[in-house]
Amino acid sequence: DQQVKQNSPSLSVQEGRISILNCDYTNSMFDYFLWYKKYPAEGPTFLISISSIKDKNEDGRFTVFLNKSAKHLSLHIVPSQPGDSAVYFCAARINAGNNRKLIWGLGTSLAVNP
Amino acid sequence: DTGVSQDPRHKITKRGQNVTFRCDPISEHNRLYWYRQTLGQGPEFLTYFQNEAQLEKSRLLSDRFSAERPKGSFSTLEIQRTEQGDSAMYLCASSPHVGELFFGEGSRLTVL
Repeated sequence: DQQVKQNSPSLSVQEGRISILNCDYTNSMFDYFLWYKKYPAEGPTFLISISSIKDKNEDGRFTVFLNKSAKHLSLHIVPSQPGDSAVYFCAARINAGNNRKLIWGLGTSLAVNP
Repeated sequence: DTGVSQDPRHKITKRGQNVTFRCDPISEHNRLYWYRQTLGQGPEFLTYFQNEAQLEKSRLLSDRFSAERPKGSFSTLEIQRTEQGDSAMYLCASSPHVGELFFGEGSRLTVL
């Protein structure tokens, strides 16, 4: 049972345009959401996060939007750059007692074309 | 460098052998996590330490897997009697608080 779903395995965008990566979740107990970027042969790198009490968080070219009623979040990258080409993982946090861990989506591979 | 470091980066072993991976977290982080990742999948949670206490262990972790963090600093993950299905990237991450994890570059295991 995939509690965090990234339904698009890949996305291709032209340099300078907006990249929108989507993530859906099923567990209403999630209270914190994170996006990670991963290059081949490297560990994931934290990108941006959002608390469940907010609907938007912005950091430079990266903005994450959260729609709790739809259990949906999205990562916007504007403008997209070739160096953004990587696999992007959405992760959600369960924080209940000692059960503190992240649940991960399967990732979306973003290709930004020059 | 004050990031999370993992050693070795790549290990090739024969089926049935034991392997051990080491993780040195960011020094001020008291939480340490082990994840496993295979191609096309997101990281799968294996186990989690807060200081030296192992607070949670995934059902994915069979009896052949053991993790330790004896002094609340570095951690080791040992796999005994390796099987081909153990081939994966083993990721270590540390965190000052739950949520934001800082990952190492991973240890890739290939079991022949």
